[in-house]
Amino acid sequence: GAVVSQHPSWVICKSGTSVKIECRSLDFQATTMFWYRQFPKQSLMLMATSNEGSKATYEQGVEKDKFLINHASLTLSTLTVTSAHPEDSSFYICSAAKGRTLIQETQYFGPGTRLLVL
Amino acid sequence: QKEVEQNSGPLSVPEGAIASLNCTYSDRGSQSFFWYRQYSGKSPELIMFIYSNGDKEDGRFTAQLNKASQYVSLLIRDSQPSDSATYLCAVNYSGGSNYKLTFGKGTLLTVNP
Repeated sequence: GAVVSQHPSWVICKSGTSVKIECRSLDFQATTMFWYRQFPKQSLMLMATSNEGSKATYEQGVEKDKFLINHASLTLSTLTVTSAHPEDSSFYICSAAKGRTLIQETQYFGPGTRLLVL
Repeated sequence: QKEVEQNSGPLSVPEGAIASLNCTYSDRGSQSFFWYRQYSGKSPELIMFIYSNGDKEDGRFTAQLNKASQYVSLLIRDSQPSDSATYLCAVNYSGGSNYKLTFGKGTLLTVNP
């Protein structure tokens, strides 16, 4: 159990276009979903936390108007990178958790989406 | 600023040896600790978590936690070449109404046949 999928796995786009990435929990309901970004040889950096039915909470330095997050259901969250630029090229990874505040809660990671902006 | 520190490595061990990975964290209020394995180009996968002082064993893996020293480690017994990966230490802390994980930069482990 606890499988998380992401789509697409790879995307190449032109500078200025918008890209939508989907994150789905396949066999459980995810109260909370997280979006991370990872640059080469760097660790995961949390971008935002989203709870179903409420607005996402963004980390300091992450532009909420550029990285739009929608968590419309307990199994789906989307991240839209608006007006993408080459510096947005990165590995975007979502994770999902069943609960919200349990200290022992485990995050289950999706396989990631590699974005290349030309 | 919540910080999680790991030696970036690479840590190289021969096949069959014990690999020891270490992690320190800055937030004394942190309550749970996770070890993830990340193969190159892939997303992290959970190995195990620990939240009580002492040792926790799962197969070839043992996590050790010392909250007084703000130190958590992962031991891998009988290391295999397939264990070669980057190991990420993650620490839970409360961020308002949600908990969050702060990740270390990871330690690259290479197990030599």
